[in-house]
Amino acid sequence: GENVEQHPSTLSVQEGDSAVIKCTYSDSASNYFPWYKQELGKRPQLIIDIRSNVGEKKDQRIAVTLNKTAKHFSLHITETQPEDSAVYFCAASISSGGYQKVTFGTGTKLQVIP
Amino acid sequence: DAGVTQSPTHLIKTRGQHVTLRCSPISGHKSVSWYQQVLGQGPQFIFQYYEKEERGRGNFPDRFSARQFPNYSSELNVNALLLGDSALYLCASSLYSGGAHEQYFGPGTRLTVT
Repeated sequence: GENVEQHPSTLSVQEGDSAVIKCTYSDSASNYFPWYKQELGKRPQLIIDIRSNVGEKKDQRIAVTLNKTAKHFSLHITETQPEDSAVYFCAASISSGGYQKVTFGTGTKLQVIP
Repeated sequence: DAGVTQSPTHLIKTRGQHVTLRCSPISGHKSVSWYQQVLGQGPQFIFQYYEKEERGRGNFPDRFSARQFPNYSSELNVNALLLGDSALYLCASSLYSGGAHEQYFGPGTRLTVT
């Protein structure tokens, strides 16, 4: 089955700096890659996603890149703010037999230091 | 517009007991997926239901079962609870089953097995 690896597990940055989280996946059939932000005690919140026919997508301070050949994708957060502090999960989704199976990475705990 | 709702919020059960968790998807969404999130890890896929039919199942034992009702709400049942079943159980809704669709999570049910 699909395996998603995520690095780093923890990341501390100064407010205003950029943060980059990297993920790799194993199954070339994966075609959808969402990123979720989860604050302590709260639900995972979809922040950005990318489909396999696109190489890059940007939404204000957040961008995601996808390299299908290398099977890796990354989340970039620019001008970080304290409210960006949370655990971020990458995921890879395969459509198989009429259903969508989403495999999550192990998470990156981002701390933005004011 | 209400998001995904889940009940109960918290639950404490004893080993060997049975538990039922409930989920109501976003209005108009026909697909519900269930995930188990153990502390410090990413969500793990349990089931996906669409139009009242099971469309996919993750690597979970037969003690786990689910169903979807005509109004697209869903129940997750776990029999013969084990200590290792203690986790946050998340429900996610999406418009459809197959393909690459955004999934939106509910707040989760925190299950503690003693």
